[in-house]
Amino acid sequence: NAGVMQNPRHLVRRRGQEARLRCSPMKGHSHVYWYRQLPEEGLKFMVYLQKENIIDESGMPKERFSAEFPKEGPSILRIQQVVRGDSAAYFCASSPVSPTYEQYFGPGTRLTVT
Amino acid sequence: QQQVKQSPQSLIVQKGGISIINCAYENTAFDYFPWYQQFPGKGPALLIAIRPDVSEKKEGRFTISFNKSAKQFSLHIMDSQPGDSATYFCAAPSTGGQGNLIFGKGTKLSVKP
Repeated sequence: NAGVMQNPRHLVRRRGQEARLRCSPMKGHSHVYWYRQLPEEGLKFMVYLQKENIIDESGMPKERFSAEFPKEGPSILRIQQVVRGDSAAYFCASSPVSPTYEQYFGPGTRLTVT
Repeated sequence: QQQVKQSPQSLIVQKGGISIINCAYENTAFDYFPWYQQFPGKGPALLIAIRPDVSEKKEGRFTISFNKSAKQFSLHIMDSQPGDSATYFCAAPSTGGQGNLIFGKGTKLSVKP
């Protein structure tokens, strides 16, 4: 059973460009969570999605950030007009059909904004 | 915003020793306490978790001890090995959230041969 997959693993963007991060949950998991990790820091929750629905986006910055989890395909975290402060590791986690705190993380996407 | 306070920030242990990492939480409604292990450049991996209806859970060399009255839980790594060198995070469910976790700031463990 494949784990959570994220791509790309590394992404370099110049200030003002858009970044698209993809996450494919584990097979049988329909709940997806995005977290951000700054260097030497813990993980901070951003958004929780189920298929075609945003359940909780209380951790998302109000501007430039959006997320989706379409009926078909991976979940996408989109950052428009990136700034240097967006440089971080972005992790996706998934959990099974029933909401559970047992979350399994992907390898992350390391975003660098130059 | 509920907090999970983790200590120490870093820990050096000799091979074969016991590593102990502590976490304190604020909200007594929390009902799930996981520990994650993260190696450099990798995603966090769920290591072990406990629910407050038990005071201790053991899986191999890893043990969670839970003190409900003190609102604390700790991770003990017995017979620590160099391969255990990693950053460890405790977490708890966010009150008011719908499944998202609040993480401690992490403990960087180094096990010396």
